Amino acid sequence: AQRVTQPEKLLSVFKGAPVELKCNYSYSGSPELFWYVQYSRQRLQLLLRHISRESIKGFTADLNKGETSFHLKKPFAQEEDSAMYYCALSLYSSASKIIFGSGTRLSIRP
Amino acid sequence: DAGVTQSPTHLIKTRGQQVTLRCSPKSGHDTVSWYQQALGQGPQFIFQYYEEEERQRGNFPDRFSGHQFPNYSSELNVNALLLGDSALYLCASSFTGVNEQFFGPGTRLTVL
Repeated sequence: AQRVTQPEKLLSVFKGAPVELKCNYSYSGSPELFWYVQYSRQRLQLLLRHISRESIKGFTADLNKGETSFHLKKPFAQEEDSAMYYCALSLYSSASKIIFGSGTRLSIRP
Repeated sequence: DAGVTQSPTHLIKTRGQQVTLRCSPKSGHDTVSWYQQALGQGPQFIFQYYEEEERQRGNFPDRFSGHQFPNYSSELNVNALLLGDSALYLCASSFTGVNEQFFGPGTRLTVL
């Protein structure tokens, strides 16, 4: 069965410190991996996807198929990064259903 | 473009009642997916509509049903409401051929 695991419910780091939000997945095929973010009082929005290999707002994520992980990283946290982050996967097909992890709340301390 | 819109924003019902939630997709999108997000959890896929038909379905009972209209807007219906149906219901739209979904603000359903 497809599953996304985010082991940390809450991650608190100081401004300027590195950030790593962990994500592991289980799926027998070749999924597409995403990170979604939800800022306070805003809707859920796509942060990045592994196939685009982009860096968005300084965040990057590398798909490690051997470890079935897709950790989200940023070298220097900023206060505006405080938000709820969801790791998610979908099948490699158009407009497929998305399976979400339970989310990690990132809190950046000044 | 207002993006994905949902109505109502909040709703309170009692057990056993029925509810209908509505969603208008982002302009140009033809596919609508519905998700249930319980407190402290990530969104869970309910079903997806394309060309007015249910194309995929998650592990939700038949009490959950939906509809898509010719203008691509969609409704989610839940019958015989249970306390456990209390959640945020999210609608997401996308365009077939593009694996990126845009989410609406959600409808908060409370079942008493």
